Amino acid sequence: DSGVTQTPKHLITATGQRVTLRCSPRSGDLSVYWYQQSLDQGLQFLIQYYNGEERAKGNILERFSAQQFPDLHSELNLSSLELGDSALYFCASSVGGRDNSPLHFGNGTRLTVT
Amino acid sequence: KNEVEQSPQNLTAQEGEFITINCSYSVGISALHWLQQHPGGGIVSLFMLSSGKKKHGRLIATINIQEKHSSLHITASHPRDSAVYICAVWGYNFNKFYFGSGTKLNVKP
Repeated sequence: DSGVTQTPKHLITATGQRVTLRCSPRSGDLSVYWYQQSLDQGLQFLIQYYNGEERAKGNILERFSAQQFPDLHSELNLSSLELGDSALYFCASSVGGRDNSPLHFGNGTRLTVT
Repeated sequence: KNEVEQSPQNLTAQEGEFITINCSYSVGISALHWLQQHPGGGIVSLFMLSSGKKKHGRLIATINIQEKHSSLHITASHPRDSAVYICAVWGYNFNKFYFGSGTKLNVKP
């Protein structure tokens, strides 16, 4: 058990809708990272938050946004969903903010857009 | 061109064989991670390296910063090692993660 909790495990929604994915980091970890894994593109880094502030940005679409709350849990908001957004979304947490500490992954949220 | 290249893409081995998976990268990095993803989808971090060599049980990871290359070795492979192994690097110039496409390992009993 990594100590990272992601909810929900599965999500099925329609095109054009908006969803929110939630991640609770391992106790003591200040960084949360979000990743997308689709069949055709593999794992992609979306965004990192450290202690409530955005620290690094990857291939995150403008339709997507994230935030990290004072209790350090994070939410990834996906809006105007398209079929191509169907993927596994992982979050990971780490102690540090500069990738100098090991990552702990959640079990992922499988999003299906129909 | 991908910033992180892994080889081989697929690997089939007999139980007990010594296995090597390679990762080459083209960006400046502050750390390299080896990840394991089982068929169920969950991801486990095996190693984080910034220099030298690390060992955990039957797994060994090495990195050569000058050559921008890392290897993951599995000694005495076992069917439970069957998984996808992914190399990921943190590129400090652009402050983001780059991922390899993964190596799918199948160890037969």
